[in-house]
Amino acid sequence: GAGVSQSPSNKVTEKGKDVELRCDPISGHTALYWYRQSLGQGLEFLIYFQGNSAPDKSGLPSDRFSAERTGGSVSTLTIQRTQQEDSAVYLCASSLQGGSGGSYEQYFGPGTRLTVT
Amino acid sequence: EDQVTQSPEALRLQEGESSSLNCSYTVSGLRGLFWYRQDPGKGPEFLFTLYSAGEEKEKERLKATLTKKESFLHITAPKPEDSATYLCAVQASNDYKLSFGAGTTVTVRA
Repeated sequence: GAGVSQSPSNKVTEKGKDVELRCDPISGHTALYWYRQSLGQGLEFLIYFQGNSAPDKSGLPSDRFSAERTGGSVSTLTIQRTQQEDSAVYLCASSLQGGSGGSYEQYFGPGTRLTVT
Repeated sequence: EDQVTQSPEALRLQEGESSSLNCSYTVSGLRGLFWYRQDPGKGPEFLFTLYSAGEEKEKERLKATLTKKESFLHITAPKPEDSATYLCAVQASNDYKLSFGAGTTVTVRA
């Protein structure tokens, strides 16, 4: 079946511009996650959505970052007034269920490589 | 805070030369330990989940094991196509996010 898809695959933007990154999770997966992978660093958790519950935004690095999930499916990560330190690969993952109900494998998309010049 | 440390950072193997990767972790109650494979320019690909000490899982030339403090990923008779970065992650009890190690980059020469 179709996996997690992300768009665009690459994005080059100028410092100070806003960008939107899109994630389409696996059909039927209720949990959706955003992570960031910077050069030489491990994957860093950003935000988590579970069904219709309020998202956990505890991993967002600043208030320039925001995300929404419409209709319990597609998610958009928005970065306002981009800075050079925002350059990274942004990865989206989905799982059957999150929360404390059990451990479910997270399946990752191919990522969006963001370069801020 | 959950911590995951992987070693070595890089591993160069000859085809057929078996080896092991280490993942040491500290977590306030382990819900699951995950192994992923990541190829350049791609997202992590799920390999295994381990839930309790003593558990083992196998897939082709890969075998993952778990103790209370660490996990090992054994690569038996590797082939060049096993070249990738292998990531270890933990999920704590009553949590959902994964905490990742920095990864081990494996290069297998023919």
